[in-house]
Amino acid sequence: DAGVIQSPRHEVTEMGQEVTLRCKPISGHDYLFWYRQTMMRGLELLIYFNNNVPIDDSGMPEDRFSAKMPNASFSTLKIQPSEPRDSAVYFCASRSPRREGPTGELFFGEGSRLTVL
Amino acid sequence: AQTVTQSQPEMSVQEAETVTLSCTYDTSESDYYLFWYKQPPSRQMILVIRQEAYKQQNATENRFSVNFQKAAKSFSLKISDSQLGDAAMYFCAYHPTEKLVFGKGTKLTVNP
Repeated sequence: DAGVIQSPRHEVTEMGQEVTLRCKPISGHDYLFWYRQTMMRGLELLIYFNNNVPIDDSGMPEDRFSAKMPNASFSTLKIQPSEPRDSAVYFCASRSPRREGPTGELFFGEGSRLTVL
Repeated sequence: AQTVTQSQPEMSVQEAETVTLSCTYDTSESDYYLFWYKQPPSRQMILVIRQEAYKQQNATENRFSVNFQKAAKSFSLKISDSQLGDAAMYFCAYHPTEKLVFGKGTKLTVNP
């Protein structure tokens, strides 16, 4: 398997623009997580899905952020409008179902570095 | 709230020496998992080691081992025979049910 695939790897945009980050989880994984990493706050969980359904979005900072998972192989994280304080690395991670053996390990994508000018 | 604390923002070690990274967590759960992840400059998050809370035996993976003290809610990582490739950010993570909660990380420098 190719692992978790994220795109774009880097994104530079101007304040006020819409940003869409994309993620393809590992096939067969039924959990998908979006994390944001900054120097000040570390790794913050934004939202996670189970079987394409959002379970907990309490980490989404504000209404400018939205996430969708239309099917088991694709998820998006959208920021509209973007602001300079949204600059961070955004990680997507997936996990296999609990019934399939060792549990808990998250498999991460390489992250999308977002810079909002 | 469930929190994970890594009290050492930065650590350094000489090549071939041993270093221990600290982690404490706050929980009322009795069954959970703990992890150490490594993040090299490439930014990829890599699982180093995992510990199940119900297991008394400390986990070991080659040069990496943990000291898990459940009552003290402590989960330290020991790296033996440190290598230059061990230089990275190390994150402790706590997993009670579905999601992982991460500490803020410890930056490890390995000096030749």
